Amino acid sequence: TQLLEQSPQFLSIQEGENLTVYCNSSSVFSSLQWYRQEPGEGPVLLVTVVTGGEVKKLKRLTFQFGDARKDSSLHITAAQPGDTGLYLCAVTTGGGNKLTFGTGTQLKVEL
Amino acid sequence: ETGVTQTPRHLVMGMTNKKSLKCEQHLGHNAMYWYKQSAKKPLELMFVYSLEERVENNSVPSRFSPECPNSSHLFLHLHTLQPEDSALYLCASSQAPGPGNEKLFFGSGTQLSVL
Repeated sequence: TQLLEQSPQFLSIQEGENLTVYCNSSSVFSSLQWYRQEPGEGPVLLVTVVTGGEVKKLKRLTFQFGDARKDSSLHITAAQPGDTGLYLCAVTTGGGNKLTFGTGTQLKVEL
Repeated sequence: ETGVTQTPRHLVMGMTNKKSLKCEQHLGHNAMYWYKQSAKKPLELMFVYSLEERVENNSVPSRFSPECPNSSHLFLHLHTLQPEDSALYLCASSQAPGPGNEKLFFGSGTQLSVL
């Protein structure tokens, strides 16, 4: 059993469509991070959410932390080919900066 | 450019070879990490170094041996690997562990194939 389950696992959409991906857990977290990993590169941090119910926007990306701080969602409006990549959620577990990553959502946006 | 450089980008090695992966960060961070990314599996934390001391060894087999000579450099020495060790090995760095310092900066990774 994974600590963080992400869904869907794969998503292939056309340019201009909207989409939402999810990160779920049965545990409560003090904060949650979202990363995007493009092909051939390492993950890059997009956002950190820390407060239950918090909504953060990054251009066309909207991130929400669940009220109970157990889950999060990422909504992309009018997806573009540049949004293609692996979207990963991550939480700090144990002491220090030990990050545990979710199973990931592989997104492909086609013209 | 994330400020974390990994070499080589690609590596093919036989099961009896010895090789090393190198990571260098130019961000002034003092914590460094090795992660393993396999197909269909989440990123797995392997090792954590903070202020050049190993603070985490996540039950990694002894055929993987990390080395952190200073806060800017991190190595992963490989010997007698198995085909199932084929994966993308990612290095990351961050500020020293503490509240608000959880942001990791990753390198581009070394794609390792063990034949």
